[in-house]
Amino acid sequence: AQSVAQPEDQVNVAEGNPLTVKCTYSVSGNPYLFWYVQYPNRGLQFLLKYITGDNLVKGSYGFEAEFNKSQTSFHLKKPSALVSDSALYFCAVRDLNTGFQKLVFGTGTRLLVSP
Amino acid sequence: EAGVAQSPRYKIIEKRQSVAFWCNPISGHATLYWYQQILGQGPKLLIQFQNNGVVDDSQLPKDRFSAERLKGVDSTLKIQPAKLEDSAVYLCASSSGTSGSRIDTQYFGPGTRLTVL
Repeated sequence: AQSVAQPEDQVNVAEGNPLTVKCTYSVSGNPYLFWYVQYPNRGLQFLLKYITGDNLVKGSYGFEAEFNKSQTSFHLKKPSALVSDSALYFCAVRDLNTGFQKLVFGTGTRLLVSP
Repeated sequence: EAGVAQSPRYKIIEKRQSVAFWCNPISGHATLYWYQQILGQGPKLLIQFQNNGVVDDSQLPKDRFSAERLKGVDSTLKIQPAKLEDSAVYLCASSSGTSGSRIDTQYFGPGTRLTVL
């Protein structure tokens, strides 16, 4: 079965510093990977996705993610964190086994950016 | 472009009562999804519609949950009777493509927070 793991429940970073939120995946076949962000009392907002091509994917709000096939990772990064980036981040993989569009989500990582 | 709309935003009910949630997807989106997000967990797919047909309801507790999308646009998700463990955020999402499209992005609504007492 397709799955993703987010090993950190929480990541703390100071404003202005680079941030990384980790995600590893387990899939059979080619992975289709996504990052979403969730602010309090809000739904999930799409940040970026990896389908194929360049290993560095650029997304919304200055975020990017690096796909690493050998390490089966898809870490989310931003060169300079903002306090407003504080939120819950979810990594997800498209489950292709059923032939449908189901997303399988990780457990989420809470990012706290301190002033 | 308007996003995915959901109502109500919050609902509190007693166990064994029934409740219904409504979702209006992004205009023109053929695929609609209902996810359940329990506190501290990632969202889990309950049911997926392609137009007005169900394509995946393998994780829907069919003894108490039901969903419909009669005209291929709006959808309702119902729980009857509710249990304590149904307390969660219910997220609706939509995407534009067909089941075969591998680059389809799902766009989520704000969710309905259900508390069962």
